[in-house]
Amino acid sequence: DADVTQTPRNRITKTGKRIMLECSQTKGHDRMYWYRQDPGLGLRLIYYSFDVKDINKGEISDGYSVSRQAQAKFSLSLESAIPNQTALYFCATSDSGVNYEQYFGPGTRLTVT
Amino acid sequence: ILNVEQSPQSLHVQEGDSTNFTCSFPSSNFYALHWYRWETAKSPEALFVMTLNGDEKKKGRISATLNTKEGYSYLYIKGSQPEDSATYLCAFSGPYNTDKLIFGTGTRLQVFP
Repeated sequence: DADVTQTPRNRITKTGKRIMLECSQTKGHDRMYWYRQDPGLGLRLIYYSFDVKDINKGEISDGYSVSRQAQAKFSLSLESAIPNQTALYFCATSDSGVNYEQYFGPGTRLTVT
Repeated sequence: ILNVEQSPQSLHVQEGDSTNFTCSFPSSNFYALHWYRWETAKSPEALFVMTLNGDEKKKGRISATLNTKEGYSYLYIKGSQPEDSATYLCAFSGPYNTDKLIFGTGTRLQVFP
């Protein structure tokens, strides 16, 4: 079984809809991250969390919110989706105090029409 | 604005050829340089994390070097195989926030049999 899972894997939604992307991990890591990837751009950090009570904005947090429901779960929400949020979204985890190597989930391809 | 650049953008080589590509990053305020391998439709997978100037790391036929004074890292693949075909990403982090990885846009490698 995969250590970092994301649901859904693909989603098509309409402008203005609220959507939630979910991430779960079985690695026991305390740190979790959400990135988006757009063609021609590097992965960009949206939000990250050091533990359940510690959530931080990344480079491009506008239009997004997150919830860390438990150490193993980190959800990303788009309150009112817009077409330029069409992208590939990755969740990742890392173990604090080690070398900050990040472990990625399989990605969620989101299309906003 | 911190910038991480990778070159070339893409590379086509024959099976058996050796190849290398470059990651350039800010030489000041350096903490770590990460290399990831990202196969299409899969998760990015960590190859190396390097922190010290002069670091060299090796995993099978893949190796990497780090020069933090001049701000570059090289990734080498010896005797490329078709299964090496992937996008190779590098990411930089600074000392003030080691969790915030700044990714380059990647080098897409295709190895032809």
